[in-house]
Amino acid sequence: KAGVTQTPRYLIKTRGQQVTLSCSPISGHRSVSWYQQTPGQGLQFLFEYFSETQRNKGNFPGRFSGRQFSNSRSEMNVSTLELGDSALYLCASSTWGQVGEQYFGPGTRLTVT
Amino acid sequence: DQQVKQNSPSLSVQEGRISILNCDYTNSMFDYFLWYKKYPAEGPTFLISISSIKDKNEDGRFTVFLNKSAKHLSLHIVPSQPGDSAVYFCAASLLHAGNNRKLIWGLGTSLGVNP
Repeated sequence: KAGVTQTPRYLIKTRGQQVTLSCSPISGHRSVSWYQQTPGQGLQFLFEYFSETQRNKGNFPGRFSGRQFSNSRSEMNVSTLELGDSALYLCASSTWGQVGEQYFGPGTRLTVT
Repeated sequence: DQQVKQNSPSLSVQEGRISILNCDYTNSMFDYFLWYKKYPAEGPTFLISISSIKDKNEDGRFTVFLNKSAKHLSLHIVPSQPGDSAVYFCAASLLHAGNNRKLIWGLGTSLGVNP
């Protein structure tokens, strides 16, 4: 079974720009969660999508948004990038969501200059 | 407010000895706990979990202990191997906003196993 894939793996953007990250979950998984990882803050939950609906949301500003398509693939968008948005963005897929084991992709390393 | 705390940012042990990673939580509504391991440049991988109705779960070299009265869980790795060197995250799950669930993560503990 293919694992979770994330594209692109690395990205450099300028402050004020927007960015879209993509996540393809494991086949059959309907839940996709997004996390931001920074050195001092650990894994911060952004949101979770299940069957194309946002089911859970973390405490991030509205500049962070996402969506999920009918094939369970998910995208995350960050508008008006700030320097503090530089982080590793991780996507995780699972069968049921935030209750049990999640399978993580390798992440997208976003650098905002 | 950090509901899941891993108070030791790093830990160093000798190969063959026991590694004990600790995790404290504040919310008594957490009913499922998980440990993940993360190598650099990779996403976290699931290691072991425990339900709040149990106090111990074992999988090979990995054992998780849960002390609900103390709101504390620990991960024991015996014997430790150099390949266990990674960042270990503790995560706790609870019912949130109706029937939805939420995972709250600790900040991680970096384990170094010395040959």
